[in-house]
Amino acid sequence: AQTVTQSQPEMSVQEAETVTLSCTYDTSESDYYLFWYKQPPSRQMILVIRQEAYKQQNATENRFSVNFQKAAKSFSLKISDSQLGDAAMYFCAYRSVMEYGNKLVFGAGTILRVKS
Amino acid sequence: DGGITQSPKYLFRKEGQNVTLSCEQNLNHDAMYWYRQDPGQGLRLIYYSQIVNDFQKGDIAEGYSVSREKKESFPLTVTSAQKNPTAFYLCASDDRGIGNQPQHFGDGTRLSIL
Repeated sequence: AQTVTQSQPEMSVQEAETVTLSCTYDTSESDYYLFWYKQPPSRQMILVIRQEAYKQQNATENRFSVNFQKAAKSFSLKISDSQLGDAAMYFCAYRSVMEYGNKLVFGAGTILRVKS
Repeated sequence: DGGITQSPKYLFRKEGQNVTLSCEQNLNHDAMYWYRQDPGQGLRLIYYSQIVNDFQKGDIAEGYSVSREKKESFPLTVTSAQKNPTAFYLCASDDRGIGNQPQHFGDGTRLSIL
C-alpha cells in the first residue's frame, strides 16, 4: 500500500517571503497523481495544485509551485510571496492510476503559520 | 451552484446510539467518499462508492455503514460499535476514472459524544 509522509508538523513564514513544505511518498507504481490540498480554519478542503507523474515539468499555479522529484519520490510545495490567507493546514495526497477506486492517500498534514 | 452538501454541521451522539450523516452532491459525479479527520492527523478513508448500489470498505470501516441508493446521495451511519466516533467527517466526490481530476469536498460534520 502506498504511504505519504509529511515530516514537518508545523512551519512558519513571514508575510511576503517564500516557504517550502515537504512531502515524500512510497509506491512501486510508475504512473500516479499527486495533489496538494489546503484546509483553512473553516475546515473546507481546497485544491492547491496537482501533478501527473508522467509529466516531467513541475506544475505551477500562480504563487504555488511544486518540485517533483520522481526518482526520490518527493513532491514539495513552494509558496512564494506568502500572504496571511495562506495560513492553513496543507495536505499532500497520492492517487494510484492502477488501483480500483480513485482513492486518495493523505499525509498527516503541515500547519503553516504566516506572520505579519 | 454545483457542490456537496453535508448535514448537519454539528452532531451529538449518545452512548449506544446510531447516527447518520448526510452527504448530497449535484455535480453528477459517479464516485463518492467518506473520510474521517482526527486532530493532528490526515484524512483516513472510511468507505467509498464508484457507482450506485455498490460500495467498498476503506481503511477504517469498522463501526460504520453506508448506502448508495441514488447517485446524488451517500449517507454514512456511525453505529454504536464505533467506540471512538468523535471526529470531523468529510464527504467527497469525483468523476470516476479521471485520475487527475480532484476530489470535491463538502464542508464537513463534527461529531461529538454526549
